[in-house]
Amino acid sequence: ETGVTQTPRHLVMGMTNKKSLKCEQHLGHNAMYWYKQSAKKPLELMFVYSLEERVENNSVPSRFSPECPNSSHLFLHLHTLQPEDSALYLCASSQDLGRVSGNTIYFGEGSWLTVV
Amino acid sequence: QKEVEQNSGPLSVPEGAIASLNCTYSDRGSQSFFWYRQYSGKSPELIMFIYSNGDKEDGRFTAQLNKASQYVSLLIRDSQPSDSATYLCAGRGYTGGFKTIFGAGTRLFVKA
Repeated sequence: ETGVTQTPRHLVMGMTNKKSLKCEQHLGHNAMYWYKQSAKKPLELMFVYSLEERVENNSVPSRFSPECPNSSHLFLHLHTLQPEDSALYLCASSQDLGRVSGNTIYFGEGSWLTVV
Repeated sequence: QKEVEQNSGPLSVPEGAIASLNCTYSDRGSQSFFWYRQYSGKSPELIMFIYSNGDKEDGRFTAQLNKASQYVSLLIRDSQPSDSATYLCAGRGYTGGFKTIFGAGTRLFVKA
């Protein structure tokens, strides 16, 4: 069992649908992240939460809405997405947001999203 | 713009050889560096992290950091076909503390 689990693993949705991605971490970490990975591009940081408080919103369109109800769970709510939003969405966690130690990021298995 | 640059490859090495993967970064204040391995269709998994100048060894893997040259590398000794994957370099910047910036990755093929 991985320390960071994501559901669903695969999602196909229409542009008018509303869906959510779920992430749960079992590592006792205090920070959680959403990353987007598109083909041939570097990982893009979308959101960062520390102790359930959002500390980073990296210029992400409002059609992506994160929610962090507690330090173990993170959601990404999806609404009126575009085909170019099709990508692998990775949830991750780290012990904390320290500059040097404790900031190693551990990824979940990812959710493959296809927008049609 | 804080960046981490990697040669996209593919880098092809024969089985048993040393694979050398390189990475440069632009944020001189970066203090933590990470190497991840990502198999096709899978999520990145951490191989090593390094904070201090010099070499850090873990099994067949050696990470090298040169902060003066803003250069990070990963050496894989006795490369195996199972090492074939994309290797992501990442750096954690000084400013903001929580922005881990990833390179686009280098594809490695180890030929049997």
